[in-house]
Amino acid sequence: GQNIDQPTEMTATEGAIVQINCTYQTSGFNGLFWYQQHAGEAPTFLSYNVLDGLEEKGRFSSFLSRSKGYSYLLLKELQMKDSASYLCAVMDSNYQLIWGAGTKLIIKP
Amino acid sequence: IAGITQAPTSQILAAGRRMTLRCTQDMRHNAMYWYRQDLGLGLRLIHYSNTAGTTGKGEVPDGYSVSRANTDDFPLTLASAVPSQTSVYFCASSGDSTGELFFGEGSRLTVL
Repeated sequence: GQNIDQPTEMTATEGAIVQINCTYQTSGFNGLFWYQQHAGEAPTFLSYNVLDGLEEKGRFSSFLSRSKGYSYLLLKELQMKDSASYLCAVMDSNYQLIWGAGTKLIIKP
Repeated sequence: IAGITQAPTSQILAAGRRMTLRCTQDMRHNAMYWYRQDLGLGLRLIHYSNTAGTTGKGEVPDGYSVSRANTDDFPLTLASAVPSQTSVYFCASSGDSTGELFFGEGSRLTVL
C-alpha cells in the first residue's frame, strides 16, 4: 500500500531551526509537496520538489531524495506564527496526492 | 478576491438528512477536489473532477456524490448523512502542471 510517514508533533524554540522529516512509499512518484495548515484554517502551499536536492525559499527549505523516499522541511529563524501543522504529500503515478497525517509544530518563546 | 468559496462554514445535521456542501472557484481551474480531514489522519480524497462534465472517485467515495456542471462549481452531496461523516471538508482546485492545490476555508460538518 501507499504510505507517508511524518512525526506527529515537534516542539522548537523561537529563533531556532527545526527539521520536519517525511518518508514515503508510493506507487510511482511525480513530486512531493509541503503545505502549512494553521489550526482551524485551510492548508496553504509551501513547496514542491520533483528533483533531488534542496529548494530554498526564504526561511523555508525543502529537500528531496527520491532514492531514499525521503524529504524534509527546514524552517529557520522560527517565529511564533510558524506554529502550525505541516503536511507532506506525494503525487503518485496516477497523479493523485497521497497525504501524510501532518506534523504539529509547537513554537515556544 | 480570487479563490475558492465553500458554504456553509459549519453545519450540524441530523443523521439521515440530505446535505449539499457548496464549492465555487473563480480561478478557472480545470481540476477540483473534495477532501475530508479527520484528527490523526491525512487528508483523504472523496471525489475529484479533472474538467467540467467529468468526475471520479477518490479514496473514500461511499455515501457521497458530486457533480461538475461547469468549471466554477463542484458541490458535494451526502444523500443520507451518518455520524461517521462528521468531519471537516475541504474543497480544492488545481490549475497548473505542478498540481499545487488551492483550498477553500473548509466546512465543518457534525452529524448527530
